[in-house]
Amino acid sequence: AQTVTQSQPEMSVQEAETVTLSCTYDTSESDYYLFWYKQPPSRQMILVIRQEAYKQQNATENRFSVNFQKAAKSFSLKISDSQLGDAAMYFCAYRGFISNFGNEKLTFGTGTRLTIIP
Amino acid sequence: DTAVSQTPKYLVTQMGNDKSIKCEQNLGHDTMYWYKQDSKKFLKIMFSYNNKELIINETVPNRFSPKSPDKAHLNLHINSLELGDSAVYFCASSQDRASGAKETQYFGPGTRLLVL
Repeated sequence: AQTVTQSQPEMSVQEAETVTLSCTYDTSESDYYLFWYKQPPSRQMILVIRQEAYKQQNATENRFSVNFQKAAKSFSLKISDSQLGDAAMYFCAYRGFISNFGNEKLTFGTGTRLTIIP
Repeated sequence: DTAVSQTPKYLVTQMGNDKSIKCEQNLGHDTMYWYKQDSKKFLKIMFSYNNKELIINETVPNRFSPKSPDKAHLNLHINSLELGDSAVYFCASSQDRASGAKETQYFGPGTRLLVL
């Protein structure tokens, strides 16, 4: 079974600075997908960024980028120029490749609470 | 337009009652899910349906019964509610497996259930 580990329960960063959230996972599959979701106090789960394991290039979305290290099974999220609106819980999630029914589920880490200091 | 909607957003009820949470998506997706987020914010899959057929059931007590009248709806009915059922329940949807790289799941706003 796949597992996802987020070792930082809480992180804080000064506004406009850069912060990196860590995520490691365990899987025996060679193809899969990784995601970062953000959950602000509104409780809504918002997709931040996704990465396909077969792509070597790290995904980027504006101020958000990932450092995907497949051999190390590491998938960290870097937030540049942090803004007050980035304050939220961040969840790393794993999804198996679409090959069998049942692979579609997301397996989540325990989350990292990010605080932005004005 | 709301992509994935859930009703109600808040539900407060007594132990032993039966309650339902409704979910609808207007994204044209074929696969829908229910996740449970506990008091420690941990999210775990409960069920998944593809084209109205159950494909994932993660050892959830049979007091929980999902129902999918069509592929745009996935409702969750809970019988004999217990204190431990208090949580936030999220519905999500994604495109079906035959459509290739559209496996991103989009979540509803969540339903906070409190059992007293």
